[in-house]
Parts: sequence; C-alpha cells; structure tokens
Amino acid sequence: DQQVKQNSPSLSVQEGRISILNCDYTNSMFDYFLWYKKYPAEGPTFLISISSIKDKNEDGRFTVFLNKSAKHLSLHIVPSQPGDSAVYFCAATDPSGGNQFYFGTGTSLTVIP
Amino acid sequence: DAGVIQSPRHEVTEMGQEVTLRCKPISGHNSLFWYRQTMMRGLELLIYFNNNVPIDDSGMPEDRFSAKMPNASFSTLKIQPSEPRDSAVYFCASSLGIPTTPQHFGDGTRLSIL
Repeated sequence: DQQVKQNSPSLSVQEGRISILNCDYTNSMFDYFLWYKKYPAEGPTFLISISSIKDKNEDGRFTVFLNKSAKHLSLHIVPSQPGDSAVYFCAATDPSGGNQFYFGTGTSLTVIP
Repeated sequence: DAGVIQSPRHEVTEMGQEVTLRCKPISGHNSLFWYRQTMMRGLELLIYFNNNVPIDDSGMPEDRFSAKMPNASFSTLKIQPSEPRDSAVYFCASSLGIPTTPQHFGDGTRLSIL
C-alpha cells in the first residue's frame, strides 16, 4: 500500500563523510520527486527535487540521483555536517493525477562530529 | 514572509472530547493539505483542498474526522469523538497548486488523547 518506501529507518555517518539516503517507489506514473528535511518539533522543509527527465540534480552539498528503470532515488550529502542531523523524507508525485505528494516513512540521519 | 501557521502547537485532551486543529496557509497559495505523521506510515495525507474545495479525502481514517476550508486563509481539522489512537503529530501544508512546486509545512500540532 505504501507507494514510496524508505527502508532504512536510521543512518549514522561521521562528519566530513558522504551520507547516502535511499528511496524506492512502486508507481510508474510518478515523475517528480522531492526530498524534505525535518528537525524535531518543526515541520518538514523542502530540500531538493528532480524531474523524471533528469537523472541527477545538484544543489551545493546535496545531490539527488534518479534511476527510473529501478524506480529508485537517492540523496547524497557531501560532506556531511552535524547540522545535517535530521529526518529526511522522500516524496513523489504524479502531476497528471493531482497535486498530492506521496511520502515515505523517513530516514533519521545522525552525523557524528 | 509568514509561513504556514498551525494552532495549537500542543493539545492534550481526554478521550471522547472534540478536538479542533487550525491552519492558516501562506497567502496566495491555493492548495492546502492535512497530514498525520506516524512511525508506521510516515507522512500520511488525510485530505487536500484546491481553491477551498476538498479534492481527495480518501485518507481520512474515519467519519470521526472532518475538515473544512471556509475561505482561502483558514482551514480546520476536527476529530469528534477523539480516541487515544488519534494521538500523533498533525501537519498542515500549502502550495501554489502546481504539482511540481514544493509544499510548505507548518510546525505541526502534537495531539495527545488520554
């Protein structure tokens, strides 16, 4: 029933290293994908997005990769910083089907100083 | 710029009571979304509105839940009667209504039903 899946509930990385967060989806109609970041007691905030016509989108330390054939996307953070410690949600949307987003269950990233 | 404003931030009430959560979207946004965050399902969409009209309420768990958007600057999510299993964080988000534009979230209401 969950159309967007984040199979790793948590991830720990040393400061300065690369963080890789993964997301899988099942609906082949999804063609726009987003990552959100959430700190405790705050709402999720938009981080980066990618359209299905691309396989990579980069914004500073954050890069999102999309593999449509595998229905898989990933978020790379390089270098990781302690302030990146947060819960990261993957989301997908089918623009032809309305403007709702389908979110994953989130991955809690801890960057160890 | 004011973001999405939700109230109250915390609500603790007893089972059976009516609970009303409130949301003020970003001015100019014409889509509004209500989500519930749970460990099992992550951010679960309950209902969304376009131009104050409910478009998809298939995520509303039961008839005890209802949502209204009487005008472009205000929405409510009501639970009556409330049950302990409704305890969660409820988020409101708004967007420009274009599918490829991000939704902007409020800071949520943490609801505890005793």
